Amino acid sequence: QVQLVESGGGVVQPGRSLRLSCAASGFTFRGCGMHWVRQAPGKGLEWVAVISYDGSNKYYADSVKGRFTISRDNSKDTVYLQMNSLRIEDTAVYYCAKDYSSSWYYMDVWGKGTTVTVSS
Amino acid sequence: DIQMTQSPSSLSASVGDRVTITCRASQTITNFLNWYQQKPGKAPKLLIYAASSLQSGVPSRFSGSGSGTDFTLTINSLQPEDFATYYCQQSYSTLQTFGQGTKLEIK
Repeated sequence: QVQLVESGGGVVQPGRSLRLSCAASGFTFRGCGMHWVRQAPGKGLEWVAVISYDGSNKYYADSVKGRFTISRDNSKDTVYLQMNSLRIEDTAVYYCAKDYSSSWYYMDVWGKGTTVTVSS
Repeated sequence: DIQMTQSPSSLSASVGDRVTITCRASQTITNFLNWYQQKPGKAPKLLIYAASSLQSGVPSRFSGSGSGTDFTLTINSLQPEDFATYYCQQSYSTLQTFGQGTKLEIK
């Protein structure tokens, strides 16, 4: 079945880095855009970044631009989120989501999320 | 960035009621509007895409309408499993945004 499994979350100090991974299975990964969406404790959903099917197009929320990098390895069916210069306000559950299209249209499959806590 | 504003922020209703949630965009997004349902501790689930298309497997009591800047999500005959938080999301812009959410609670 179609599945997304995030990993790489944890507790990290402000200013440090972390890399999240999302392993996909059950669909043609190389044909789909992929997103990262986060949710701070007790807050709503915040879209973070999207990458097109071939990695040629990437877009970021203003809150993470210049600090986070989305990438993908189609040979491993995996999308990544490299998070640098982490801030307290980056604390959240991070979800990866599959897009229906090759770029971005709507997110039809979501992972269960991985928790990132930024704390000194 | 395109701002998405949902109303109300919270709503109390009873099983069997019909409820409507509104989402307004700060500029036109044609029909690039999606709706998601999220239950506590769970990932969001897609309900409606392209403003009015029902995602496969979603009960027909859910429906969406609207275009341009104003959109609605309607749930007919509320069921116990429908009590959750609902989010709209625009995918018109490369910088996508969600509404702040509407929490639907049992009266």
